[in-house]
Amino acid sequence: KQEVTQIPAALSVPEGENLVLNCSFTDSAIYNLQWFRQDPGKGLTSLLLIQSSQREQTSGRLNASLDKSSGRSTLYIAASQPGDSATYLCAFLTGGGNKLTFGTGTQLKVEL
Amino acid sequence: EAGVTQFPSHSVIEKGQTVTLRCDPISGHDNLYWYRRVMGKEIKFLLHFVKESKQDESGMPNNRFLAERTGGTYSTLKVQPAELEDSGVYFCASSQLQSRPYTFGSGTRLTVV
Repeated sequence: KQEVTQIPAALSVPEGENLVLNCSFTDSAIYNLQWFRQDPGKGLTSLLLIQSSQREQTSGRLNASLDKSSGRSTLYIAASQPGDSATYLCAFLTGGGNKLTFGTGTQLKVEL
Repeated sequence: EAGVTQFPSHSVIEKGQTVTLRCDPISGHDNLYWYRRVMGKEIKFLLHFVKESKQDESGMPNNRFLAERTGGTYSTLKVQPAELEDSGVYFCASSQLQSRPYTFGSGTRLTVV
């Protein structure tokens, strides 16, 4: 059974700082990994998707990596902005490729 | 394109009542999923439709939950009778292919009192 842990649970940083969010998983038999952000009262917005055969994906100031051998994924946010404040979730597509297993999330606050 | 639409956005019901949540996926997306997040826990899978067929309902907590997908279009999730522990946020998602990025709706916040 896949178990997903996200550390830290909450993070507060000053604007402009580069930061790394961590996600660890126990089962390397995954189809892909997605990073999502969730704003209060809103749904989940997909940020990046990394296929099992890939090691990283980049979109703007975001870079996500996947290391199946160590059971880790990281989301790197460059030059953080107050608008980046949200809960960030990693999720793995497993179980025959039809269900996402989510981590508990990291609540990020970027302060002016 | 229009996103995944869920309604109501909020619902407050008394224990023992019935509630029906609705999800309209992105047009053309054969795959439709229900997830939920109960207080303090991670988001968990409930079930997966491919068109109108239930592909996997292993995450449904018990037989008080009934999901349907009429004609492979919108889906409903009925909770009858509702219990206090059913409170949480229910998300719907759709995708064109199983392994492609999911698009999630804004969720329905259900409160059972």
